[in-house]
Amino acid sequence: DSGVTQTPKHLITATGQRVTLRCSPRSGDLSVYWYQQSLDQGLQFLIQYYNGEERAKGNILERFSAQQFPDLHSELNLSSLELGDSALYFCASSGGNYQETQYFGPGTRLLVL
Amino acid sequence: GEDVEQSLFLSVREGDSSVINCTYTDSSSTYLYWYKQEPGAGLQLLTYIFSNMDMKQDQRLTVLLNKKDKHLSLRIADTQTGDSAIYFCAERDAGNMLTFGGGTRLMVKP
Repeated sequence: DSGVTQTPKHLITATGQRVTLRCSPRSGDLSVYWYQQSLDQGLQFLIQYYNGEERAKGNILERFSAQQFPDLHSELNLSSLELGDSALYFCASSGGNYQETQYFGPGTRLLVL
Repeated sequence: GEDVEQSLFLSVREGDSSVINCTYTDSSSTYLYWYKQEPGAGLQLLTYIFSNMDMKQDQRLTVLLNKKDKHLSLRIADTQTGDSAIYFCAERDAGNMLTFGGGTRLMVKP
């Protein structure tokens, strides 16, 4: 158990809908990262937050957004969902210290029908 | 941009050693990681190596890094059926972003 929790574990929704994925980092970690894992694109970095502020952006679509709250949990919002958004979404956290090793949560499996 | 490559598949017999290889292109990589993903599960951090090291051993795992050739390998000694999984290498750049390889599926036959 990495100490990173994600909810829900599974999510089934329809095209055009909006969903919110939630992540709680390991105790004491200040950074949260979101990744998307799909069969055709592999594991792709989406976005990073550090202590409530956006720090880095990867291949995140404009339809997707994220935020990190004062208690350091993070939410990833996916809107106007398309079939191609079906994927595993992982959250990872790191301490914000020099080592910056990322520990991953169990993921949320999103299926868009 | 950065690119990380891994072979897709490796099959070994139980008790043999497994060697999973990875190549990367970013010369500014600071750390390199190996993660394990079992079916339906998240990514489990196995081990990592700092870019100025060339070897790291951790129980049954040995990581070798050839910086000149930008080649990283993970050796698993005495491979067990429980080691069957997908193994991802990842490089971390100076901005702390991770770039992952496509993963190597390790199958261990009894």
